[in-house]
Amino acid sequence: QSALTQPASVSGSPGQSITISCTGTSSDVGGYNYVSWYQQHPGKAPKLMIYEVSNRPSGVPDRFSGSKSGNTASLTISGLQAEDEADYYCSSYTSSSTLGGVFGTGTKVTVL
Amino acid sequence: EVQLVESGGGLVQPGGSLRLSCAASGFTFSSYWMSWVRQAPGKGLEWVANIKQDGSEKYYVDSVKGRFTISRDNAKNSLYLQMNSLRAEDTAVYYCAAPSSSWSRPYYYGMDVWGQGTTVTVSS
Repeated sequence: QSALTQPASVSGSPGQSITISCTGTSSDVGGYNYVSWYQQHPGKAPKLMIYEVSNRPSGVPDRFSGSKSGNTASLTISGLQAEDEADYYCSSYTSSSTLGGVFGTGTKVTVL
Repeated sequence: EVQLVESGGGLVQPGGSLRLSCAASGFTFSSYWMSWVRQAPGKGLEWVANIKQDGSEKYYVDSVKGRFTISRDNAKNSLYLQMNSLRAEDTAVYYCAAPSSSWSRPYYYGMDVWGQGTTVTVSS
């Protein structure tokens, strides 16, 4: 039940695009299209931003997009805005444990 | 309004017990897998436990197996987490969460309903 690997921090200026990676194995990210992404502001509950690698729930701006290549999933934020500053976590189905779900280590996004 | 509200957190000594509750409203609770997720201070999210709609399947992260028990009462629209033999490393905010799609396991399509969290502190 090892956590998926994310960079600790990513930063960008308003209007720029940033990409957050989420690296796993063939038992999780690479083997299934069940990758989700969550945004979490300080002191708040996580919010679902992407599911099934690239699908956005209703209400999530289209500035947020997801993709996957091999064992690495990515979340891209285009046209970065101040309110995007938050922690981001990926999550995936994993066949390595009966629990079935695993989160990434988390990435702090800073808007410069 | 779709809502999850956790309660039951608090300060407990190492080796002690605590029971968390999560009250659901605004959706058909009995149709959804449910999960507990925790977050230690300054740390990332950790999936703790899942329970099937009828309670017939329960799964746990290795670190809590044998100590924590997830359960539910569909008649009361409530989810529970009984935590025994608590350790300092169990100190965290505990969230209950529901998947975005009924009858789907929580890790397939993401969890889009979360409670506000309840804080558990294990310390002497």
